[in-house]
Amino acid sequence: NAGVTQTPKFQVLKTGQSMTLQCAQDMNHNSMYWYRQDPGMGLRLIYYSASEGTTDKGEVPNGYNVSRLNKREFSLRLESAAPSQTSVYFCASRGLGQGSGELFFGEGSRLTVL
Amino acid sequence: QKEVEQDPGPLSVPEGAIVSLNCTYSNSAFQYFMWYRQYSRKGPELLMYTYSSGNKEDGRFTAQVDKSSKYISLFIRDSQPSDSATYLCAMRALAGGSYIPTFGRGTSLIVHP
Repeated sequence: NAGVTQTPKFQVLKTGQSMTLQCAQDMNHNSMYWYRQDPGMGLRLIYYSASEGTTDKGEVPNGYNVSRLNKREFSLRLESAAPSQTSVYFCASRGLGQGSGELFFGEGSRLTVL
Repeated sequence: QKEVEQDPGPLSVPEGAIVSLNCTYSNSAFQYFMWYRQYSRKGPELLMYTYSSGNKEDGRFTAQVDKSSKYISLFIRDSQPSDSATYLCAMRALAGGSYIPTFGRGTSLIVHP
């Protein structure tokens, strides 16, 4: 199984450009999440989808939009990229019945905004 | 003040040393306590989790929770260079919050041969 797959792995954008980060999981998980990770800041939740058809804001949603396309896929869109959005983005998923609430992460998408 | 505090390090130790990684927290509702390990340029992976107080051991790794002090620890015995990674603590309440854990900032560990 591939687990959580993110594309692209690397991207360089100019200020004002738009792009979409794609995420897909093959574990039949209900919940999916988008985090950003910056040096010294740890993981910060951008948006999450508790189940297919629902999305909610996390800690740092400004400048982002999300779409839960189906149970497998959860995309993150930057409409007008800014240098402050330079970061590593992680998608994660969680299945039902996982007592600890364990999240399964993708390998990350490294975004640079010039 | 963040809900979960974790010293970012880096922590540099010689191979074979006992490593102690720690987090403090302020939310008394937290019941599940997790440790994730993140290798360079990879996503975090769950290493261990503990429910409520007490100890849990898995090979060279021991997780401890002291709820009275709001303090959790991860001990690594006989540390190896392959243990070099960033270790993130995470915790969540028993119910509600859509099972979203609160993460610490992570501690970078370097085990040198």
